[in-house]
Amino acid sequence: AAGVIQSPRHLIKEKRETATLKCYPIPRHDTVYWYQQGPGQDPQFLISFYEKMQSDKGSIPDRFSAQQFSDYHSELNMSSLELGDSALYFCASSPGQGWTDTQYFGPGTRLTVL
Amino acid sequence: GENVEQHPSTLSVQEGDSAVIKCTYSDSASNYFPWYKQELGKRPQLIIDIRSNVGEKKDQRIAVTLNKTAKHFSLHITETQPEDSAVYFCAASKGPNDYKLSFGAGTTVTVRA
Repeated sequence: AAGVIQSPRHLIKEKRETATLKCYPIPRHDTVYWYQQGPGQDPQFLISFYEKMQSDKGSIPDRFSAQQFSDYHSELNMSSLELGDSALYFCASSPGQGWTDTQYFGPGTRLTVL
Repeated sequence: GENVEQHPSTLSVQEGDSAVIKCTYSDSASNYFPWYKQELGKRPQLIIDIRSNVGEKKDQRIAVTLNKTAKHFSLHITETQPEDSAVYFCAASKGPNDYKLSFGAGTTVTVRA
């Protein structure tokens, strides 16, 4: 079965640079969630989209922005990167709000900020 | 917001024994409780979930129980095997219109052969 796809899988950036992470949900899934997981920590919710509209927002820095496109893929844009942004970034998808809340996680993007 | 507490933080069991992980949540509106297994550097994988209209759910060696009154839920793994070694996270969400997951801090399970 098709799973959530994330790219790139690994990313190395310098401080103050910009990064773009991409997420391709499971086919026919219209809801996307972004989570940030620091070393030894639990995933923290950043932001979510349903039918291309932002549906919820968590502890996402103002330096970060995200959107969901017409094909339901999503991109997380991170600017003015800081050392503390180094983490695993997971995207999860679900079939849609109001139908099921089950979330399936992608393999993650490991971001390292030097 | 929702606060999920998870205990213990580490758990070492002999192969074949049972493992139990407990979580409590703060928001009585939470109604969906998934459990994820995560191996080092890999994605969280959903292993079982339970909704608030059910008190217990079982899938082979894995079971989850929910006590809504006490606001706690537990994961039970029986006949543990070395491949059960991983970090396990409990989580909670409210829905509808609020499906974001609030995770517990995780439990590192080690199964000794």
